[in-house]
Amino acid sequence: KNEVEQSPQNLTAQEGEFITINCSYSVGISALHWLQQHPGGGIVSLFMLSSGKKKHGRLIATINIQEKHSSLHITASHPRDSAVYICAVRSTGTASKLTFGTGTRLQVTL
Amino acid sequence: NAGVTQTPKFRILKIGQSMTLQCTQDMNHNYMYWYRQDPGMGLKLIYYSVGAGITDKGEVPNGYNVSRSTTEDFPLRLELAAPSQTSVYFCASTQGQGRMNTEAFFGQGTRLTVV
Repeated sequence: KNEVEQSPQNLTAQEGEFITINCSYSVGISALHWLQQHPGGGIVSLFMLSSGKKKHGRLIATINIQEKHSSLHITASHPRDSAVYICAVRSTGTASKLTFGTGTRLQVTL
Repeated sequence: NAGVTQTPKFRILKIGQSMTLQCTQDMNHNYMYWYRQDPGMGLKLIYYSVGAGITDKGEVPNGYNVSRSTTEDFPLRLELAAPSQTSVYFCASTQGQGRMNTEAFFGQGTRLTVV
């Protein structure tokens, strides 16, 4: 079992829909990252969370440390949101590594 | 700040050739990482470093070497290229953890093909 599991793997939505992507992890973490990778490959950081909730524009990220679960929400989705969304966790301890989920491929259509 | 600069963007190697992927960051980050991304797979950690002079293996280190002589630079060396090393490689950096924890910054990636 992977340390970081994302669901769904693929998601198709119509423009304007509310989208939720889930991330579950099995290790102790000091932080969780949500990343976006567009076709063409560049990866950008959307959020870094260690507790609670963060909002940036139409994007909202939440984390529940006790349940080891995080969600990324996109409100009023738009075709330009089409990308792969990746969850990554920073494990606790001296070997502080980023471990990645396999990503959720989102396609938003008109 | 330029962030994380990774070169080259593309490279084709013949089996048995060697090359170095360069990665430099200007944010004074302690932690630097090399990942590879295979089609349909998540990023797999090759090597990482928690500071100058300190490196450690990740999940898939075989066939690669790294060094960290300065805080800024973290080059990845392929000594004897093999077709299994065909992949997209990403360099990343973060400041640290706890109160020093920062967002992760990524290079633009290197698409490597070994033929």
